[in-house]
Amino acid sequence: GESVGLHLPTLSVQEGDNSIINCAYSNSASDYFIWYKQESGKGPQFIIDIRSNMDKRQGQRVTVLLNKTVKHLSLQIAATQPGDSAVYFCAESNTGANSKLTFGKGITLSVRP
Amino acid sequence: DTAVSQTPKYLVTQMGNDKSIKCEQNLGHDTMYWYKQDSKKFLKIMFSYNNKELIINETVPNRFSPKSPDKAHLNLHINSLELGDSAVYFCASSQDGRVTGNQPQHFGDGTRLSIL
Repeated sequence: GESVGLHLPTLSVQEGDNSIINCAYSNSASDYFIWYKQESGKGPQFIIDIRSNMDKRQGQRVTVLLNKTVKHLSLQIAATQPGDSAVYFCAESNTGANSKLTFGKGITLSVRP
Repeated sequence: DTAVSQTPKYLVTQMGNDKSIKCEQNLGHDTMYWYKQDSKKFLKIMFSYNNKELIINETVPNRFSPKSPDKAHLNLHINSLELGDSAVYFCASSQDGRVTGNQPQHFGDGTRLSIL
């Protein structure tokens, strides 16, 4: 069946280092991908998105890379800070009307001081 | 001010009871959603409403009944609660039913439902 999944359940990084969170998806019909961040006790918060006609998009300290050939998505966080500690989700969808998000399994990012 | 607000934040009840969770958004969005997040953090859509009309209804037991009195509110009523219903339920909203970056889904902070 269709699935969106993450390779690793947890990631521990040193403060100041760069973080890379990976995600695999299996629905080749998806044309839109999003990363969400969920802090403890909070709801998911939109970070960055990318459409299938792009392979890279940059935001503030974050970069999303899309490799459609291998159906792989990654989130890069530059100079990771303690406030980046959270659960990160990739999600995929299409951009049509009444489309729905399919979320992958969350990965916990833990930032060591 | 919270854009998407859910009440209650915590709900502890016994198996077999009926309970409701309320959601309100003040963003002027047309579309609202209910998601369920299990103990492994897996997040899955249950329902979505666009301007009070049901547009997405995933494979959810009919014990779950969403109700949208107006486009700013989407409530979730659950009958005959079961142990497996224990989860965090998130409400979300977006400008319309299309998933795009210009109008991402905004989530509430969740309702933690525990069934005893």
